[in-house]
Amino acid sequence: DIQVTQSPSSLSASVGDRVTITCRASQSINNYLSWYQQKPGKAPKLLIYAASSLQSGVPSRFSGSGSGTDFTLTISSLQPEDFATYYCQQSYSTPLTFGRGTKVEIK
Amino acid sequence: QVQLQESGPGLVEPSGTLSLTCAVSGGSISSSNWWSWVRQPPGKGLEWIGEIYHSGSTNYNPSLKSRVTMSVDKSKNQFSLRLSSVTAADTAVYYCCGLIAAAVRWFDPWGQGTLVTVSS
Repeated sequence: DIQVTQSPSSLSASVGDRVTITCRASQSINNYLSWYQQKPGKAPKLLIYAASSLQSGVPSRFSGSGSGTDFTLTISSLQPEDFATYYCQQSYSTPLTFGRGTKVEIK
Repeated sequence: QVQLQESGPGLVEPSGTLSLTCAVSGGSISSSNWWSWVRQPPGKGLEWIGEIYHSGSTNYNPSLKSRVTMSVDKSKNQFSLRLSSVTAADTAVYYCCGLIAAAVRWFDPWGQGTLVTVSS
């Protein structure tokens, strides 16, 4: 199985901060990576697919980059509604696997 | 747009079988999407259970393969999950999802999720 390791597992940030979350795959997965946001008690929501493509309706402050084994999700200016847990997911091979999540908390 | 809604018992006895259904609305289950189940134990991360195409083709997570069965009912525009021989470790919120099958594959949309507790 391809493992995807997210870091950090949690972070504290203030409104307006630039936030970066990383995801590293255990082998090259080209651009077969997606990012999701999950708020408490809610289903995950797709933010980014194919490493850098913004899902329709997602604010442009969210961006994704990377290829191969190293990927980044960036929130350019953190907003109050962005406090949540973020997951990456690889689809290069089955089983499809998720990172363990990064919880973004209010500083 | 396509919406998904899970249904099924919220409590299953140990060694029993978990059965859930996902109703698809706003679109056809016979579209180009695959359909998938993902689960999340309380306070933990996400685990892919498997996927099914409207033709009935399936792929399962090897960690659960011996206990999982997925099916499609095109007449009702829904798909289902059965997980046998459940234990407390199978307690989780179960989500049904569309799985976009381009070269890169991603989960969208998601159902709201349903909590299934395994307990006597």
